[in-house]
Amino acid sequence: DARVTQTPRHKVTEMGQEVTMRCQPILGHNTVFWYRQTMMQGLELLAYFRNRAPLDDSGMPKDRFSAEMPDATLATLKIQPSEPRDSAVYFCASGLTSVSYTFGSGTRLTVV
Amino acid sequence: AQKITQTQPGMFVQEKEAVTLDCTYDTSDQSYGLFWYKQPSSGEMIFLIYQGSYDEQNATEGRYSLNFQKARKSANLVISASQLGDSAMYFCAMRGSNYKLTFGKGTLLTVNP
Repeated sequence: DARVTQTPRHKVTEMGQEVTMRCQPILGHNTVFWYRQTMMQGLELLAYFRNRAPLDDSGMPKDRFSAEMPDATLATLKIQPSEPRDSAVYFCASGLTSVSYTFGSGTRLTVV
Repeated sequence: AQKITQTQPGMFVQEKEAVTLDCTYDTSDQSYGLFWYKQPSSGEMIFLIYQGSYDEQNATEGRYSLNFQKARKSANLVISASQLGDSAMYFCAMRGSNYKLTFGKGTLLTVNP
């Protein structure tokens, strides 16, 4: 089965450090989403791309977060500098036909 | 702006019984899609079912069906013959005409033996 691959699966980092999370969407999928999941806020949409173009990143704290798609096989989410409140599970999802989206396994980030 | 509301933080159901999870949505788009995802305790997000705004028939996938009432802007998930493995968090989501996919807060379903 085709899958969305996220790396790393787990990340523990110190406050102030840069964190980079990577997502390999399913080959051929042209829509990619980044979500953050916490107990308090649920699933928050951070940013999404269609055909590698950013459509909306209004859900992202602009001063410290950035999302890019350097090519069709890679999406990245960076946090610089990281803060304890960024601790969460970050999901990437991809889709093609807009009737189904596949999620990756997520990156569990802990900022201490 | 699009919004998804799931008013049931938690639901309980007896094994083998049917259960309905509520979802209402708000959008000004004419074309949109509605989704349900399941998140078990392992954390993965599993796609269950999809309904398009122009689909006249309710979507069904095995034991899952989506009760789509367009005028009421509701898209409830019905799980028939509940199984212990159905215990999980269930999320309703909407995709608007701008491809934005927004999720509700979720409903935690517990299936009792």
